[in-house]
This record gives sequence, C-alpha cells and structure tokens, in this order.
Amino acid sequence: GNSVTQMEGPVTLSEEAFLTINCTYTATGYPSLFWYVQYPGEGLQLLLKATKADDKGSNKGFEATYRKETTSFHLEKGSVQVSDSAVYFCALRAGGTSYGKLTFGQGTILTVHP
Amino acid sequence: NAGVTQTPKFRVLKTGQSMTLLCAQDMNHEYMYWYRQDPGMGLRLIHYSVGEGTTAKGEVPDGYNVSRLKKQNFLLGLESAAPSQTSVYFCASSQTGLAGSNTGELFFGEGSRLTVL
Repeated sequence: GNSVTQMEGPVTLSEEAFLTINCTYTATGYPSLFWYVQYPGEGLQLLLKATKADDKGSNKGFEATYRKETTSFHLEKGSVQVSDSAVYFCALRAGGTSYGKLTFGQGTILTVHP
Repeated sequence: NAGVTQTPKFRVLKTGQSMTLLCAQDMNHEYMYWYRQDPGMGLRLIHYSVGEGTTAKGEVPDGYNVSRLKKQNFLLGLESAAPSQTSVYFCASSQTGLAGSNTGELFFGEGSRLTVL
C-alpha cells in the first residue's frame, strides 16, 4: 500500500536558521506529492506540491523537489522565521483513480525561536 | 470566505453516547472527506464521498457512519462513542476532475476536538 514517512520531530531552530524536514514515500505508479502546514488552532493548508518526477514545488520561501530515484520529497527553507512555527505534513496522492484521497505522514512539529 | 465549516468545534462525550459532526462547504466541491488526527500518526482517512448520495470507507472506518444527502454537507456519526475515538476530526473537500486535471488540493476545516470519557 501507499505510505509516507517523515523525520522524527519536534524540530527546534533559531530564527534565520536553515530548515530541512525529510520525507520519503512508498507508492505504486506515479503519485503526486504535497506538503501541508497546520498553524496552531487551524486546519491544514496546502504549502506546495509536485506532480511528477524532478518537479520542484515552492511557496513562501519553502521548496521541495520530487525525487523518484530516492522516493523523497524533502522540505527546505533557507532562513526560517518565528511565524513558520507550525506542524508540517508530507502527503501523497496515488496515481490513477484515487478520488483525491491523500495519504499523510505523521507530521513534524517545527518551533522557531527569536 | 467560509470555505469548509465544521460544527461543533469541541465536544465531550461519555462512553456509549452518540453524536454527529457536521461539515459544510460552499465551494461546490464534489469530493468530501473525514480524517482523524492523532499524535504521532498524522491524519487517517475515515470515510469519503465522491458526490451527493455516495459514501465509501477509508482507512479507519470502524465505529463511524457518514451521510451525504446534500452536495454541500457531509455528516460524520458516532453511534456508540468509545475512548479510542478521542481525537481531532477534520473535514476536507476537493474539486473533481480527471486524474490529470485534479490539482489534488484539499481544503480543510478548522477541526473538531472530541473527547470521550
């Protein structure tokens, strides 16, 4: 079956530090990959996505590249801010008729200190 | 800009009680989903619907029922609540389309925190 594995958290960084959150997946066919972010007390919202191998998704300074050879979609940001403190979820949507269903990783809590 | 609205936002139940969570979306989306979020386990799909009058089981459907009588509403019911159903429940919706044209973006509600004593 499909699965997503994220690096263990929580992650604590100082402002302006470099961020990497690892994500690897297992899926048949050609999935689409997503990063969602959940700010405190809110629902999840899409951060970025990539729909095919070697695509790079980017938004708000965050980037992730779809690496089929390593089945990975690691999230990076060059300089984090306090406002980036949130829970980050990696997710995949299987190819074919999936009815939009997403399979999520366990989430990584990020805390950024001033 | 209502988007996806869930009610209630908080609820405490005793074991064996029943309740219904309501999800409403105003984006005319065909697909709707109920997920539960538990620490260290991410989000797991309970049930989903691909259109009015249709429902299907997700990854963890036991102990839950759903109904989609109107396109904009998706109800999640617990007939006999158990402590294992203590969780945060999220409703989401997405636009339909052929696999190639579906952007895949899910729009989430703010969540409903349920505690079963």
